[in-house]
Amino acid sequence: DAKTTQPTSMDCAEGRAANLPCNHSTISGNEYVYWYRQIHSQGPQYIIHGLKNNETNEMASLIITEDRKSSTLILPHATLRDTAVYYCIVGGAQKLVFGQGTRLTINP
Amino acid sequence: KAGVTQTPRYLIKTRGQQVTLSCSPISGHRSVSWYQQTPGQGLQFLFEYFSETQRNKGNFPGRFSGRQFSNSRSEMNVSTLELGDSALYLCASSSQGDSRYEQYFGPGTRLTVT
Repeated sequence: DAKTTQPTSMDCAEGRAANLPCNHSTISGNEYVYWYRQIHSQGPQYIIHGLKNNETNEMASLIITEDRKSSTLILPHATLRDTAVYYCIVGGAQKLVFGQGTRLTINP
Repeated sequence: KAGVTQTPRYLIKTRGQQVTLSCSPISGHRSVSWYQQTPGQGLQFLFEYFSETQRNKGNFPGRFSGRQFSNSRSEMNVSTLELGDSALYLCASSSQGDSRYEQYFGPGTRLTVT
């Protein structure tokens, strides 16, 4: 079973920041938090991952709370092409356990 | 650098047949994982190979098998196909396959069993 809890769906206006929350209260000390997204039956696309510290790359920022029990993925300036299902995954990279994810819709 | 490639992209088979799907990882990547995606069950892990050895296995029947070659290319085989095997089969590669390294997914093979 997935070890994360995410809202089923979210909406965001184009150009605004999209903040996607994820709860992972049973995360263990050596488990990473990964974020992937999937656009309409394409293969999932890697976004970002982190262990303890906040991370930023060209796509997004990942904020992990100090107790590591939750995290937030931030898309700083959402575009229509960011409409997708976003998956928050905790664990090892060899075996990703996907939950149902958050269906993010970016509205014009 | 070329991404993960999967062949064929689409496949139609009948019940009872067997099928082999192929995956070529990103150059230099040694870990290959396979996933099944269906509308009802979502994305589920099948198995992972690293240096020609299966390291992890999901909860699927023995009809699902795989292998990895010395060049890291991987194949998965499904024997005695059932209607419920209709799915998008995804392959992902990772450079080392440990938690520090992300996986990159291919476009998938859509299998339809009739």
